[in-house]
Amino acid sequence: AQKITQTQPGMFVQEKEAVTLDCTYDTSDPSYGLFWYKQPSSGEMIFLIYQGSYDQQNATEGRYSLNFQKARKSANLVISASQLGDSAMYFCAMSLGGGADGLTFGKGTHLIIQP
Amino acid sequence: NAGVTQTPKFQVLKTGQSMTLQCAQDMNHEYMSWYRQDPGMGLRLIHYSVGAGITDQGEVPNGYNVSRSTTEDFPLRLLSAAPSQTSVYFCASSFGLQHSPLHFGNGTRLTVT
Repeated sequence: AQKITQTQPGMFVQEKEAVTLDCTYDTSDPSYGLFWYKQPSSGEMIFLIYQGSYDQQNATEGRYSLNFQKARKSANLVISASQLGDSAMYFCAMSLGGGADGLTFGKGTHLIIQP
Repeated sequence: NAGVTQTPKFQVLKTGQSMTLQCAQDMNHEYMSWYRQDPGMGLRLIHYSVGAGITDQGEVPNGYNVSRSTTEDFPLRLLSAAPSQTSVYFCASSFGLQHSPLHFGNGTRLTVT
């Protein structure tokens, strides 16, 4: 069975610093997708970034990038120049096969940006 | 563009009561799903549907029923609520492809006393 592990329950980071949120995954399927979602205190789930298992380059979306290390089965989210509005829960998730079986989520990391 | 709309936002039930959480999307997505979020547990898949008339169980389906009569709607039914079903419920939809991100509703906070 697939599994997502986020080892940092909480993180405190100074504003404007870069942040790395860890995510490791476990699957024997060669075809999979990795997602990161942000959940602010208001509760909504916001899609940030996607990486496919066959993608050659690391995904980037504005200040977000995904450090994808396939051999290590890790998909860490990097947030550059953190802002106070980045304070939120962050979830790593994985989809398998055709994507119709839904996402498996990690337990999340609570990121707090300090001024 | 409304996206994924969930109702109600909050609900309190007594043990044994039944209710339906509503979910509608206007993005013509084939794939719809229900998740529950519990503290320290992340999100867990309850049921999903890959199209009208097709549903399947996720990781935690017990105590919940779903149906998909139209592409737009995917209601979640609690047949006999239990305190263990106290949670935040999210409906989500996508094009159902591996690279398609899920679009989430704003969630329903359910308390069962």
